[in-house]
Amino acid sequence: DTEVTQTPKHLVMGMTNKKSLKCEQHMGHRAMYWYKQKAKKPPELMFVYSYEKLSINESVPSRFSPECPNSSLLNLHLHALQPEDSALYLCASSQDQGFGTRTWQFFGPGTRLTVL
Amino acid sequence: RKEVEQDPGPFNVPEGATVAFNCTYSNSASQSFFWYRQDCRKEPKLLMSVYSSGNEDGRFTAQLNRASQYISLLIRDSKLSDSATYLCVVNRAPRTGGFKTIFGAGTRLFVKA
Repeated sequence: DTEVTQTPKHLVMGMTNKKSLKCEQHMGHRAMYWYKQKAKKPPELMFVYSYEKLSINESVPSRFSPECPNSSLLNLHLHALQPEDSALYLCASSQDQGFGTRTWQFFGPGTRLTVL
Repeated sequence: RKEVEQDPGPFNVPEGATVAFNCTYSNSASQSFFWYRQDCRKEPKLLMSVYSSGNEDGRFTAQLNRASQYISLLIRDSKLSDSATYLCVVNRAPRTGGFKTIFGAGTRLFVKA
């Protein structure tokens, strides 16, 4: 199994809702990532988990809360989002965060989020 | 100045053309380098890693110049299917630990028949 899966594919939520995005990989990768991508822009790193511990938090607002329940799963909990948070949310994984080729990332297809 | 900068594009080329993309990075602590491609409304996919000695994969050649902090991608004999956005990606280790992945803004390529 050489893929990263994400659910849901699309999500529409109001500013008072609480929702979660899910990501799963079964490649034995020990690093997992959340990115945000706006239209015609590159992905922007949000969070990195390495061996199930949060290793990078790119000063993301607290309305985004990541969770890594085990080495295969990564969640992103959403609460009180703003319309400007509407974007494609991409999950990725890599073998680990060592050097060289071990750090190249497989991306999931993303969740397209719309905040009304 | 952005940490990873690419040619702004877009590039419009005929089939069979050779096209070169350039990328520069500003942080000398950068440690690994990649080219990804992203099709419209799809996720980025690894095209190739970039090694110090340069590397080739079929029609694609990547080069790295650490002294100049410069990365390139050459595509020979362009195909219609090469039309995509090409993203230069750099990993570096911040002082606080872990690895940061920084994407360039991407260069859009249109290959026309």
